[in-house]
Amino acid sequence: AQSVSQHNHHVILSEAASLELGCNYSYGGTVNLFWYVQYPGQHLQLLLKYFSGDPLVKGIKGFEAEFIKSKFSFNLRKPSVQWSDTAEYFCAVNAQGTDKLIFGTGTRLQVFP
Amino acid sequence: SAVISQKPSRDICQRGTSLTIQCQVDSQVTMMFWYRQQPGQSLTLIATANQGSEATYESGFVIDKFPISRPNLTFSTLTVSNMSPEDSSIYLCSAGEPNRGSSEQYFGPGTRLTVT
Repeated sequence: AQSVSQHNHHVILSEAASLELGCNYSYGGTVNLFWYVQYPGQHLQLLLKYFSGDPLVKGIKGFEAEFIKSKFSFNLRKPSVQWSDTAEYFCAVNAQGTDKLIFGTGTRLQVFP
Repeated sequence: SAVISQKPSRDICQRGTSLTIQCQVDSQVTMMFWYRQQPGQSLTLIATANQGSEATYESGFVIDKFPISRPNLTFSTLTVSNMSPEDSSIYLCSAGEPNRGSSEQYFGPGTRLTVT
């Protein structure tokens, strides 16, 4: 069965610090990968996605993620966080050819000015 | 991207009663889904709402407890039946379009349900 692990449950950073959130999945076949973000009081929004091609994908608001197939990982990065990045971040996976999304447990990011 | 609304946004219900949650999409979409997010946990797919046929339920979820309707390509309802406190959760609707063998999904704001 597919599963997604997010290692960091709660991350606290100061503004301008660099961010890397880990995401690992377990599935032997071809996958599509997503990062979603949920800002306080708002609904889930798609941050970025990987379907195929360049394993380094860029999303909105300066975020990027790198798909490393050999490590079954899709870590999210941002070189310099802002207070407005305070949110919950979810990694999600689905097997190509299916519509079912499997979510990780989420990482709560707090950025202090 | 699709814009999704849900009603109600929150409710407090008594044990043994039922609540129907509505999900409206601003455009026709192929796929609609219902998720549950229990306190402190991640999103779990309840079912795929199929237009014109019965919903497809995930393991651990049954039609008698979570009946779903999808009368057209923009609307779906989820009913939480015979509620117990364990059903207290956020219920989310999402919509997706097949894209290169996958479905990119957009989410509604959720319905926060508390069962007393």
